[in-house]
Amino acid sequence: EDKVVQSPLSLVVHEGDTVTLNCSYEVTNFRSLLWYKQEKKAPTFLFMLTSSGIEKKSGRLSSILDKKELFSILNITATQTGDSAVYLCAVEWGGSNYKLTFGKGTLLTVNP
Amino acid sequence: GAGVSQTPSNKVTEKGKYVELRCDPISGHTALYWYRQSLGQGPEFLIYFQGTGAADDSGLPNDRFFAVRPEGSVSTLKIQRTERGDSAVYLCASSMHPNTEAFFGQGTRLTVV
Repeated sequence: EDKVVQSPLSLVVHEGDTVTLNCSYEVTNFRSLLWYKQEKKAPTFLFMLTSSGIEKKSGRLSSILDKKELFSILNITATQTGDSAVYLCAVEWGGSNYKLTFGKGTLLTVNP
Repeated sequence: GAGVSQTPSNKVTEKGKYVELRCDPISGHTALYWYRQSLGQGPEFLIYFQGTGAADDSGLPNDRFFAVRPEGSVSTLKIQRTERGDSAVYLCASSMHPNTEAFFGQGTRLTVV
């Protein structure tokens, strides 16, 4: 079964709207959760979260992790057309191997 | 280099042929990862190198897939006897150390016809 589940799978909004993207996970030995933005081929790094309840912020983007309820959210305020992309959530977990398990992503479309 | 570089950016090959995909990580990054991304899916882990050695190759789908990193920098992913199901974008990422954020290259789009 999928260990990292993102919702919604796709979302269409108008410029200026605020969006919240969700990522839930079910893994053993959780270490960190990462958010990436993928516009064409290369995912670009947004945030790395390791501690519960501490918000990370970069411009109009912010993210927070809840390790008790096993989820994270990514918020984007005042959306712009340039925010249109697939947003990927990934979890690092397990033993000593540093591999990421990704969700399927959320396709965000921001219309003018 | 400034970022992770992958070549070629696109590769079309015939079924049954051998292909090599190259990854140049960010200078000084010791950890290197290969992922494969099919349409509509998130990237799936293939193999992880720490230095020259493959620390985890559990994601390689079968023995047609092999990867090397002989000098601890550039890595090559090799696919033998390609099949149409191998068509995907192959992404390489590197990080300064394990457990720090990984930076991805632009990927190689492999199409097997």
